[in-house]
Amino acid sequence: GQNIDQPTEMTATEGAIVQINCTYQTSGFNGLFWYQQHAGEAPTFLSYNVLDGLEEKGRFSSFLSRSKGYSYLLLKELQMKDSASYLCAVMDSNYQLIWGAGTKLIIKP
Amino acid sequence: IAGITQAPTSQILAAGRRMTLRCTQDMRHNAMYWYRQDLGLGLRLIHYSNTAGTTGKGEVPDGYSVSRANTDDFPLTLASAVPSQTSVYFCASSDSTGSGYTFGSGTRLTVV
Repeated sequence: GQNIDQPTEMTATEGAIVQINCTYQTSGFNGLFWYQQHAGEAPTFLSYNVLDGLEEKGRFSSFLSRSKGYSYLLLKELQMKDSASYLCAVMDSNYQLIWGAGTKLIIKP
Repeated sequence: IAGITQAPTSQILAAGRRMTLRCTQDMRHNAMYWYRQDLGLGLRLIHYSNTAGTTGKGEVPDGYSVSRANTDDFPLTLASAVPSQTSVYFCASSDSTGSGYTFGSGTRLTVV
């Protein structure tokens, strides 16, 4: 079966760095996505990785290792507004997105 | 319209009633999707459509139906609502390769 695993909840301090991990097992691979979702709102796109390595976009970076079925989202210089759920999703061989349950990130002052 | 529009924003519905959730996009995306999101379970795909005139079943299709008469619209119908269908429903769209995956703002449905 297809499976995406990520931690349920993480806590970090304002100004610090946090890494949210995602492991996956899917039928085929056409890219991995990270989305941010604030409470009561729709998910919004953060990053897309299809090749191994690190993609950096401002304070956010995303890493992919296809051989290990592993990705992480790195958030630097954390701000209170980064408190949200972070969703990992993998696009399978049929171009369907398989979603993880999301990681709730709590930022403390 | 900019992006994806869902209606209504929220609804309280009596069990047994029929309800259609509306979704319209103006990005000319070929593919459209309906998800439900429940606490602790993440996003679960209900139905999808890869192009106008075609639809497919997702992970949790029972009790729901969809149609795709044209590129822009993808309504979701609950023929006879039950309390277990209380959830937040998100419509999304993308191009054929999954690029530009965009979500609507969601419909919060409560079935009582």
